[in-house]
Amino acid sequence: SQKIEQNSEALNIQEGKTATLTCNYTNYSPAYLQWYRQDPGRGPVFLLLIRENEKEKRKERLKVTFDTTLKQSLFHITASQPADSATYLCALTSNAGNMLTFGGGTRLMVKP
Amino acid sequence: DGGITQSPKYLFRKEGQNVTLSCEQNLNHDAMYWYRQDPGQGLRLIYYSQIVNDFQKGDIAEGYSVSREKKESFPLTVTSAQKNPTAFYLCASRREGNQPQHFGDGTRLSIL
Repeated sequence: SQKIEQNSEALNIQEGKTATLTCNYTNYSPAYLQWYRQDPGRGPVFLLLIRENEKEKRKERLKVTFDTTLKQSLFHITASQPADSATYLCALTSNAGNMLTFGGGTRLMVKP
Repeated sequence: DGGITQSPKYLFRKEGQNVTLSCEQNLNHDAMYWYRQDPGQGLRLIYYSQIVNDFQKGDIAEGYSVSREKKESFPLTVTSAQKNPTAFYLCASRREGNQPQHFGDGTRLSIL
């Protein structure tokens, strides 16, 4: 069955460092991969979308990579700030669909 | 501002009772979705609708029902057949194509 794995343990880093979050998937051939941010008690907010034929996408301090051979996406936040503390979700969709399949999310804590 | 409104924020259900969660959007999006989120887990799809008067079951539809009589509205009913309804429920909408989903801020449902 399709499986999307994100590190369930919280990632704790110091302010100013680069945070790197991982999303691995199996039994899936996604056409698009998306990253969302979710704050406690709130709905997810879209951050970035990357297509299967793109290796890397950037937006301000955010960078996403997509390796379809390794079946992995990395999400980087450079010069991290305490305000970046949240849970980050990756989600995949295939060509066929409008449906997103979500990973369990990784909680990021940035300490001042 | 355009967006998705979910109500109520908190809801309590008695045994044997049906409850309805509201989701309204003014983004003029065709597609709408309902997800369930349990602690430490990703979002799981309950139902989705790509057009008015049409909807499809997601991965965990048992014990739930929906309607889509208007483009703006996609209410979810949690029936008494859903034996473990305690969760955070999220509604989302999406424009056509492989566009990201926009989420409401959720309804937290608990059992009395």
